[in-house]
Amino acid sequence: KAGVTQTPRYLIKTRGQQVTLSCSPISGHRSVSWYQQTPGQGLQFLFEYFSETQRNKGNFPGRFSGRQFSNSRSEMNVSTLELGDSALYLCASSLGVGRKRTDTQYFGPGTRLTVL
Amino acid sequence: AQSVTQLDSQVPVFEEAPVELRCNYSSSVSVYLFWYVQYPNQGLQLLLKYLSGSTLVESINGFEAEFNKSQTSFHLRKPSVHISDTAEYFCAVSEGTGGFKTIFGAGTRLFVKA
Repeated sequence: KAGVTQTPRYLIKTRGQQVTLSCSPISGHRSVSWYQQTPGQGLQFLFEYFSETQRNKGNFPGRFSGRQFSNSRSEMNVSTLELGDSALYLCASSLGVGRKRTDTQYFGPGTRLTVL
Repeated sequence: AQSVTQLDSQVPVFEEAPVELRCNYSSSVSVYLFWYVQYPNQGLQLLLKYLSGSTLVESINGFEAEFNKSQTSFHLRKPSVHISDTAEYFCAVSEGTGGFKTIFGAGTRLFVKA
């Protein structure tokens, strides 16, 4: 079974631009979560999507948004990029069913975004 | 609000020596606890998890962690480390409510020396 794939793997943008990152979950997984990883702040939860609906959201400004398609693929968008948005953006997928969070999250390799 | 504290940012250790990576959490509700490992330029891989039942959980590559509710800890141990265990290790907590909102610790970099 193919793992979680993220595209692109590396991205360089300038301040003020916007960017879209893509995540394809493992086949059959319906939950996709996004995380931002930086040396200073560590891993921070951005949001989770399940069946095309945002189910949970972290404490990030509205410049960070996401969506999920009917095939469970997800995109996240960052508008008006700032230098501090430079980070590794990780996507994780899971089955996502059931109220309890007992199913395992599988992480993709990440997209490294550099903002100049 | 839940939080995770990993007490050591870096742990250097010689090959074949034992190691313990410490993790403490705070939460007002029941939690699920995880340890993830991240090798350079890769995403995170689940090492082991505690959901319920036995407080001692083991991974397939010799790591184990013990859930201690009274001390709100979930320390990771391995009796004998290998060079290949060099990586960053993250402790994480997820509350037992609908949807994922996993909170990660800052990470501990394990460096195994020959």
